[in-house]
Amino acid sequence: ILNVEQSPQSLHVQEGDSTNFTCSFPSSNFYALHWYRWETAKSPEALFVMTLNGDEKKKGRISATLNTKEGYSYLYIKGSQPEDSATYLCAFNRGGGADGLTFGKGTHLIIQP
Amino acid sequence: GAVVSQHPSRVICKSGTSVKIECRSLDFQATTMFWYRQFPKQSLMLMATSNEGSKATYEQGVEKDKFLINHASLTLSTLTVTSAHPEDSSFYICSAGDPLTSTDTQYFGPGTRLTVL
Repeated sequence: ILNVEQSPQSLHVQEGDSTNFTCSFPSSNFYALHWYRWETAKSPEALFVMTLNGDEKKKGRISATLNTKEGYSYLYIKGSQPEDSATYLCAFNRGGGADGLTFGKGTHLIIQP
Repeated sequence: GAVVSQHPSRVICKSGTSVKIECRSLDFQATTMFWYRQFPKQSLMLMATSNEGSKATYEQGVEKDKFLINHASLTLSTLTVTSAHPEDSSFYICSAGDPLTSTDTQYFGPGTRLTVL
């Protein structure tokens, strides 16, 4: 059984502050780590697919790092805005595009104006 | 690009009836689609992998005779919950990858909330 753990479960952040949260996953048989942003009543939005140890990806104010040897990834949001409020999911993938994803429970982020 | 739609978004049905959920890739073709479900306060759990032109593969503990999957074209997969019971009430969501892109990104539909009375 694969375990993907995310922490914290929820987070309240003041507008303008920066924040980060964690995803841990099995370090063996690794293929890719996915991050999604999920707003209520919408489709999960793909943020990053990360495959290489030490990888760092950036999309606007959001960035992510990956450590496959120890099995963790961090997601960072710089200068949080109210529109960043969402649930952030990470998912582990062992076999590439032909394999489904194993998800964590997500981090529910609320940005307070 | 890479949009996945699902229909219906919400369905309420009586116990014992069957419900069909559609998952479509709108601007790409997908040989493989995935079906997940999410119970309250739980993570998205993979149910099955839908393969165009062949049988679906099911995760351990998912009854293939109860959750019928048909992937008859490269843009459409359907999940039919047969003889639904209240314990099948859940959030069902599908995803697909675009094989023409170089990434392994999976694109998700908006999901279907099923309530069985």
